[in-house]
Amino acid sequence: GAGVSQSPRYKVAKRGQDVALRCDPISGHVSLFWYQQALGQGPEFLTYFQNEAQLDKSGLPSDRFFAERPEGSVSTLKIQRTQQEDSAVYLCASSLGGGGYEQYFGPGTRLTVT
Amino acid sequence: DAKTTQPTSMDCAEGRAANLPCNHSTISGNEYVYWYRQIHSQGPQYIIHGLKNNETNEMASLIITEDRKSSTLILPHATLRDTAVYYCIVRVARGSQGNLIFGKGTKLSVKP
Repeated sequence: GAGVSQSPRYKVAKRGQDVALRCDPISGHVSLFWYQQALGQGPEFLTYFQNEAQLDKSGLPSDRFFAERPEGSVSTLKIQRTQQEDSAVYLCASSLGGGGYEQYFGPGTRLTVT
Repeated sequence: DAKTTQPTSMDCAEGRAANLPCNHSTISGNEYVYWYRQIHSQGPQYIIHGLKNNETNEMASLIITEDRKSSTLILPHATLRDTAVYYCIVRVARGSQGNLIFGKGTKLSVKP
């Protein structure tokens, strides 16, 4: 069955460029999460959506990071004026709801800023 | 910060049981223990979770001590495909948005 998909799988950006990372969650999943994973570390929470509403963006590292989910399905994470420290794997996860529902993760987008 | 402590790495022989420990001495009464694993170049994958009783599913067993301060994930017959980083996470199951707080996990290497 269709799981969570993310595109592109790999992205190389020059410092200062803007990038947009896409997440297609499992159909019908209300909750959507973005995580950032640095090399050798566990994923770290960035932001959370319930349908189209962004209920928590406390993990976004700076105002250069912006996420949206306008129709409560596909989500886009945008990073403006990328910096080298933004290099990481960006993971998207969806679940039926919040709380203890199992989260299904996509394969991630590996962003390299040169 | 993660509320769990796990060994950095472990080895296991193929076909043997892999026992992965986790300490969570500050766990609250309404927090569950969850296990996820991450195979190289993939996103994390849910394995199992429990509150205070031992749990078993097709992937693994979860043993939680009576005082709930530690737990063990058991893969009964490890295969090479079980080589991954295993994350033990404590989280509230109800009334929260549910974002996961990962630590560094245990890197399990299953060897032939």
